[in-house]
Amino acid sequence: DGGITQSPKYLFRKEGQNVTLSCEQNLNHDAMYWYRQDPGQGLRLIYYSQIVNDFQKGDIAEGYSVSREKKESFPLTVTSAQKNPTAFYLCASSLLGTAEAFFGQGTRLTVV
Amino acid sequence: GENVEQHPSTLSVQEGDSAVIKCTYSDSASNYFPWYKQELGKGPQLIIDIRSNVGEKKDQRIAVTLNKTAKHFSLHITETQPEDSAVYFCAASPNQGGKLIFGQGTELSVKP
Repeated sequence: DGGITQSPKYLFRKEGQNVTLSCEQNLNHDAMYWYRQDPGQGLRLIYYSQIVNDFQKGDIAEGYSVSREKKESFPLTVTSAQKNPTAFYLCASSLLGTAEAFFGQGTRLTVV
Repeated sequence: GENVEQHPSTLSVQEGDSAVIKCTYSDSASNYFPWYKQELGKGPQLIIDIRSNVGEKKDQRIAVTLNKTAKHFSLHITETQPEDSAVYFCAASPNQGGKLIFGQGTELSVKP
């Protein structure tokens, strides 16, 4: 089955630790995105990548980092510099030049 | 940059009634307007979309209308069913490589 897989579904970390969220897609999409979702708010763009080895900051990139070494994979690292990391994180992908995005099932990160 | 406003934030209807959710956008260059349905704990799912060269699009019980002059678009769900209960998000693409700007979401509750 083609799709986007995010893992893990739930993640708990202690304050001050870096944590990496996985996102893999087998849709052969060039573009991949990371969004953050907080209760009562829409999705906010963290980072996006349109091609391997290249990525751009979104609206709320501070405290996050990404890499795009393979077309299929776009991992997101939540660093200790992110002041409020507890949130639901969503990965998406689309064909290059289109905005028709398909989402994964999300990772709920809780920092204690 | 683009800004998308969505109303209402919550909507409760009786089964069989219609539901309407409205969004406005600020960037006249936006040309793609998708609607997503998000069930609890899951990623958003694309349910319908419309491009700026079309005024209305329908798919069974759901329809979307677009008024480019007024910069607003709406989602219409007819003959609502309990399984329509979810959070609905509108979005707009300002034609910047596929990035989506999301509204704040509408929590729809369909009461049997």
